[in-house]
Amino acid sequence: AQSVAQPEDQVNVAEGNPLTVKCTYSVSGNPYLFWYVQYPNRGLQFLLKYITGDNLVKGSYGFEAEFNKSQTSFHLKKPSALVSDSALYFCAVRDRGGGFKTIFGAGTRLFVKA
Amino acid sequence: GAGVSQSPSNKVTEKGKDVELRCDPISGHTALYWYRQSLGQGLEFLIYFQGNSAPDKSGLPSDRFSAERTGGSVSTLTIQRTQQEDSAVYLCASSVTGIGGADTQYFGPGTRLTVL
Repeated sequence: AQSVAQPEDQVNVAEGNPLTVKCTYSVSGNPYLFWYVQYPNRGLQFLLKYITGDNLVKGSYGFEAEFNKSQTSFHLKKPSALVSDSALYFCAVRDRGGGFKTIFGAGTRLFVKA
Repeated sequence: GAGVSQSPSNKVTEKGKDVELRCDPISGHTALYWYRQSLGQGLEFLIYFQGNSAPDKSGLPSDRFSAERTGGSVSTLTIQRTQQEDSAVYLCASSVTGIGGADTQYFGPGTRLTVL
């Protein structure tokens, strides 16, 4: 069965510091991996995805994520956090050999302090 | 262009009543998904439509939940005999094809359902 774990309910970081939001996954086959962000009173927005190839994926708003197959992780990172990055972040996985169901993590709330 | 739209934005109902939630996907998108987001929890997959194929209903939590998609476009999620535990935000998303699984999903603003 597919599953996604976001071990931190909340991450606090000071503006200008690097940020990491953690995600680990479990699928029976090879995964597609996604990060989405939900800003207050707005819908979910796509940030980035891993399909194949380079393990480092760059996405919107300066975010990037690294696919680590051996650790089954897909952590989201940004070198320098902005207050405007404060939002709820969701990691998601789809087993490329297992249909079209996408499993989302529980979400991690990021607070960036000025 | 227009994004995914959902209606109503908010729905308050009494326990035991039926409700219908509507989703208009992005024009030209053949794949449509419904999710439920409960307070403090992630997105729970409910159902997936792809073109004229039989939908993947594996996420529907009970037989009180059903969904249809007419003409390959608009979708309606129906909850019969609503219970308080059905209270959540119901999100709809669409993607270009869904085939292959790597599609980016585009989400609507959601319908907040409150069952009293």
